[in-house]
Amino acid sequence: GENVEQHPSTLSVQEGDSAVIKCTYSDSASNYFPWYKQELGKRPQLIIDIRSNVGEKKDQRIAVTLNKTAKHFSLHITETQPEDSAVYFCAARYGIKAAGNKLTFGGGTRVLVKP
Amino acid sequence: GAVVSQHPSRVICKSGTSVKIECRSLDFQATTMFWYRQFPKQSLMLMATSNEGSKATYEQGVEKDKFLINHASLTLSTLTVTSAHPEDSSFYICSARPGAGTTSEQYFGPGTRLTVT
Repeated sequence: GENVEQHPSTLSVQEGDSAVIKCTYSDSASNYFPWYKQELGKRPQLIIDIRSNVGEKKDQRIAVTLNKTAKHFSLHITETQPEDSAVYFCAARYGIKAAGNKLTFGGGTRVLVKP
Repeated sequence: GAVVSQHPSRVICKSGTSVKIECRSLDFQATTMFWYRQFPKQSLMLMATSNEGSKATYEQGVEKDKFLINHASLTLSTLTVTSAHPEDSSFYICSARPGAGTTSEQYFGPGTRLTVT
């Protein structure tokens, strides 16, 4: 099945700096790659996603890049703010219906933005 | 975005009893819902895929007789933890997709914190 690796596991940045989280996936059939932000005790919130026919996507301070050849994708947060502090998860989904269309999650990155 | 609700948000039960958790898609129909378990400081682990009108598909290592899933309608799936034990204490989160496509977005419920004493 699909395997998603996420790095780093923790990331501490100064307010205003950029944060980058990287994920790799194993199955070239995966075609959907969402990123979720989860605050303590809360549900994961979709913050941005990218589909395999696109190399980059931006939404204000957040951007995601996808390299299908290398099978890795990254989340970039610019001008970080204290409210960006949370756990971020990457995920990948098989593009094959018979595989159940399941999302496989990375291990998570705990981001701390220091004021 | 689409809204997924979950009930209850917290439950404390005694060892050996059963607990039912409900997951509802409020503004869309979901033929498929997903149940995850999340232990403290860990990632989300898929337990099973719930299919409306048919049997759930369980992930390897998840006991189907212990975690009963019923997806009786296009907006409701339930997870029953039977004969709960302290090691079942965890954060249970359901999820659903408004679309059937393989690239459609997936939304999560607020989670249920289960504590077994």
